[in-house]
Amino acid sequence: KQEVTQIPAALSVPEGENLVLNCSFTDSAIYNLQWFRQDPGKGLTSLLLIQSSQREQTSGRLNASLDKSSGRSTLYIAASQPGDSATYLCAVRPVGGGSNYKLTFGKGTLLTVNP
Amino acid sequence: SQTIHQWPATLVQPVGSPLSLECTVEGTSNPNLYWYRQAAGRGLQLLFYSVGIGQISSEVPQNLSASRPQDRQFILSSKKLLLSDSGFYLCAWSVTQGGYTFGSGTRLTVV
Repeated sequence: KQEVTQIPAALSVPEGENLVLNCSFTDSAIYNLQWFRQDPGKGLTSLLLIQSSQREQTSGRLNASLDKSSGRSTLYIAASQPGDSATYLCAVRPVGGGSNYKLTFGKGTLLTVNP
Repeated sequence: SQTIHQWPATLVQPVGSPLSLECTVEGTSNPNLYWYRQAAGRGLQLLFYSVGIGQISSEVPQNLSASRPQDRQFILSSKKLLLSDSGFYLCAWSVTQGGYTFGSGTRLTVV
């Protein structure tokens, strides 16, 4: 059974700092890995999608890496801003069909960027 | 462009009352559709998923049900709500090689 762990559970940083959020998964047989952002009381917004054959994806100040063999992904946020404050979730999608359409989510990292 | 609509945004219902939450997707055909629930302080729990019209798979035994009457419409229902059904309900869609896209969610409070 796939398990996804996100460390740290919460992180508070001053504005302008570069930071790294970690995600680890126990089963390396994944189809892709997706990072989401969730603001309080809101739905999930997709940030980056990394296919299993890729090593990293970039969007603006965000960079996500994937090391499938070691079961790890990191989300790097450069020059953090108060607007980046949110819960960040990673989720993995296993290979194959049938019930394997299901994502397995981590519990998230609550990020607070202080002005 | 592809969009997902979910309504209502908030709902307060008495115990024992029925429930109907609706989700529609635009801009894509034959998507996989999902209902997730996020309870306070807990992670995301997959409730139902559908790979086609009339095809529903249930992940958690409960008093909820789902239906997919049209290709891009997914409905979550209950005949009699329980207090434990309170939570944040999220609809999502995906296609074979893509990621997931989530709706804005429905906050359900059963009183």
